[in-house]
Amino acid sequence: KAGVTQTPRYLIKTRGQQVTLSCSPISGHRSVSWYQQTPGQGLQFLFEYFSETQRNKGNFPGRFSGRQFSNSRSEMNVSTLELGDSALYLCASSRGLNEQFFGPGTRLTVL
Amino acid sequence: GQQLNQSPQSMFIQEGEDVSMNCTSSSIFNTWLWYKQDPGEGPVLLIALYKAGELTSNGRLTAQFGITRKDSFLNISASIPSDVGIYFCAGQDYNAGNMLTFGGGTRLMVKP
Repeated sequence: KAGVTQTPRYLIKTRGQQVTLSCSPISGHRSVSWYQQTPGQGLQFLFEYFSETQRNKGNFPGRFSGRQFSNSRSEMNVSTLELGDSALYLCASSRGLNEQFFGPGTRLTVL
Repeated sequence: GQQLNQSPQSMFIQEGEDVSMNCTSSSIFNTWLWYKQDPGEGPVLLIALYKAGELTSNGRLTAQFGITRKDSFLNISASIPSDVGIYFCAGQDYNAGNMLTFGGGTRLMVKP
């Protein structure tokens, strides 16, 4: 079956702009988690959505937000972009509290 | 944010050699996961461990969930050039839902 898909794969924005990233989980998976990956900080948890509800949130400022739709697809939004927001944003899906499968990521560059 | 202590940070080995890497944590986890990431791609799940003491294999890969639930190791036997990549361990505490805490990664380089 199809894996986790993320769109777009690459994005270039300028400081102050906002961005929306999309994630489609594996069919049947109701949990979607988002991670930020940078060379300096590694993989950091942003938030998790399960059945359209945010179940957990990492230590990121309020500029980072997300939502999940009834079909389990999820979006994350970053407002007022800063240079330090440049990163690979990854989403992962799982059926419940078990293995999580990652998408290919969205590479965001903030200029 | 918190990260697991993963070592070594990098390894440069000869093709055919065995590889061992490990992760330790100050916290207990319910699940340990091992992932491999190639450049520009997302992490790919290699092995999932659910029980303390569990030893699980996936082809040439073997991983163990430490008895204390605070550590895990991954072994790769008879390495081949396509094993090149970055390997990450991740711990999951069910009290935090599906949040994964990751190690810093082990970069593996294989010389043919």
